[in-house]
Amino acid sequence: KQEVTQIPAALSVPEGENLVLNCSFTDSAIYNLQWFRQDPGKGLTSLLLIQSSQREQTSGRLNASLDKSSGRSTLYIAASQPGDSATYLCAVSMYSGGGADGLTFGKGTHLIIQP
Amino acid sequence: GAVVSQHPSWVICKSGTSVKIECRSLDFQATTMFWYRQFPKQSLMLMATSNEGSKATYEQGVEKDKFLINHASLTLSTLTVTSAHPEDSSFYICSARAGGRIDSNYGYTFGSGTRLTVV
Repeated sequence: KQEVTQIPAALSVPEGENLVLNCSFTDSAIYNLQWFRQDPGKGLTSLLLIQSSQREQTSGRLNASLDKSSGRSTLYIAASQPGDSATYLCAVSMYSGGGADGLTFGKGTHLIIQP
Repeated sequence: GAVVSQHPSWVICKSGTSVKIECRSLDFQATTMFWYRQFPKQSLMLMATSNEGSKATYEQGVEKDKFLINHASLTLSTLTVTSAHPEDSSFYICSARAGGRIDSNYGYTFGSGTRLTVV
């Protein structure tokens, strides 16, 4: 059974710092990995999607890397801003011959950026 | 981009009643939709996979008679919580993936979620 772990569980830093959020998964036979942002009481916003054949994806100040063989992914946030405060979730999907598979989520990293 | 609409955003119901939650893909067809549940300070847990025109596939430990899923069209899936109890109070959220093919380059798009409180 796939398990996803995110470290740290919580992080509070001053504005402007560069951050690294970590995600690890136990079964490396993933189809893709996706990073999401969740604001309190809200749904999920997709940040970055990395296919299993890719090593990284970038969007603005965000960069996600994937090392499938070691079961790790990192989300790098550059020049953090107070608006980045949220819970960041890492999730993986597995390949199933029958079609799309649901996601397995980590518990998230609760991020606070201090003004 | 792919948009998933979920209604209602929040609902309060009395114990013993049933509640229906709708999930619609607005600008794409979704042969498969997924339903998740999130308890406070916990991560999202997959409840079931909803397949258009066929029975849903439930994850271990999820009661299929309590959480009824109907996927009557390529753009609509519904989750009905039957005979709701206070322990069913949770955040329910649906998702779908545009493209539908296993090799789709699209990620999963989520609805905005439904906060259910059973009193």
